[in-house]
Amino acid sequence: NAGVTQTPKFRVLKTGQSMTLLCAQDMNHEYMYWYRQDPGMGLRLIHYSVGEGTTAKGEVPDGYNVSRLKKQNFLLGLESAAPSQTSVYFCASSRWGVTFTDTQYFGPGTRLTVL
Amino acid sequence: EDQVTQSPEALRLQEGESSSLNCSYTVSGLRGLFWYRQDPGKGPEFLFTLYSAGEEKEKERLKATLTKKESFLHITAPKPEDSATYLCAVPAYSGAGSYQLTFGKGTKLSVIP
Repeated sequence: NAGVTQTPKFRVLKTGQSMTLLCAQDMNHEYMYWYRQDPGMGLRLIHYSVGEGTTAKGEVPDGYNVSRLKKQNFLLGLESAAPSQTSVYFCASSRWGVTFTDTQYFGPGTRLTVL
Repeated sequence: EDQVTQSPEALRLQEGESSSLNCSYTVSGLRGLFWYRQDPGKGPEFLFTLYSAGEEKEKERLKATLTKKESFLHITAPKPEDSATYLCAVPAYSGAGSYQLTFGKGTKLSVIP
């Protein structure tokens, strides 16, 4: 099993450009999550999904959109990138997690730089 | 406001020198506490989940314990390969019937040969 995979691993954007980050999991998990990690701050939840076709906002959702068309995939989109979105983005998944009490398994991350 | 605070921010140990990392939390009704290890340039790797005060879990040189206000990650006779950032996280109520996993900022552990 590959677990949670993310593509791409690195990306540089110019301000105003758009891009999509892809997350895939092969553990048949219901819940999937997108986090960002910035220096000096803990991981912060951007959006999450409780199942195929569903999405919900996390702590820092502004400037991002997500889609979960297939159970195994969770996409994170930036419509108009800003320098403040320079960060490392992590995807995670869990079997269930109504109250976020199930173990989340993380992908390797995508390092995004917005110039 | 629910918070998770880890201390120290950084810790340097000599190989074989045992120590503990602290994670203190303020949440209403603890629903679990998670410990992760994160190596540079990689995603967090799950270590332990603790659900109730008094619970302990062990894995190799690591032992996690939980009280009503904090958790400790004890490292016994550490080796250089234990060098990493250790994160703790708790599920916290975020309003409107929703929860999210709230992470501490981590403790960066360096084990010197």
